[in-house]
Amino acid sequence: EAGVTQFPSHSVIEKGQTVTLRCDPISGHDNLYWYRRVMGKEIKFLLHFVKESKQDESGMPNNRFLAERTGGTYSTLKVQPAELEDSGVYFCASSQGQGVGSPLHFGNGTRLTVT
Amino acid sequence: QQPVQSPQAVILREGEDAVINCSSSKALYSVHWYRQKHGEAPVFLMILLKGGEQKGHEKISASFNEKKQQSSLYLTASQLSYSGTYFCGTYGGSNYKLTFGKGTLLTVNP
Repeated sequence: EAGVTQFPSHSVIEKGQTVTLRCDPISGHDNLYWYRRVMGKEIKFLLHFVKESKQDESGMPNNRFLAERTGGTYSTLKVQPAELEDSGVYFCASSQGQGVGSPLHFGNGTRLTVT
Repeated sequence: QQPVQSPQAVILREGEDAVINCSSSKALYSVHWYRQKHGEAPVFLMILLKGGEQKGHEKISASFNEKKQQSSLYLTASQLSYSGTYFCGTYGGSNYKLTFGKGTLLTVNP
């Protein structure tokens, strides 16, 4: 089965610009998560979709971040306008079930650099 | 609240053993362990559920002590391929949010 795919793999943008990240989960996985890792820190939760609905968006830093999952398939995460502190690696993960016993399958991440 | 991992980094020679610890200040329902190699996706290793169980994956095993709210990952007779950053993720409470620690960088040298 194909894994979780993310693109672009790298993005370098200037402060104030807009960037859109895309994630294609494993087919059949209703649960989709976005995480971010800033160098040397933890992998921090951003939000969780169940199909097309946002289950938990408590980790979204502010309203410059907008995530969508139209049709319950792929998801996009838009940052507008980007700030320097938004730099990091953005991971998408999917799982078949949700909760304590369901492993997450991660994509390779998008490395975002805001200059 | 994020779990605390220790040590932050460890360097081994091939064949040596290591232990990575993960502790939480909150009650835990389960602990997940993942390994990430540089530039790659974090890869799932194992899940430990409430019940104090121990699980294994090749020569990597883990324990979960729910009373102490901590888990330990044991790497036995390490191989070069074990190098990477190990993350524990914990579920506590009623949400479905997996919260990760800062990771432990493991380097295995020949």
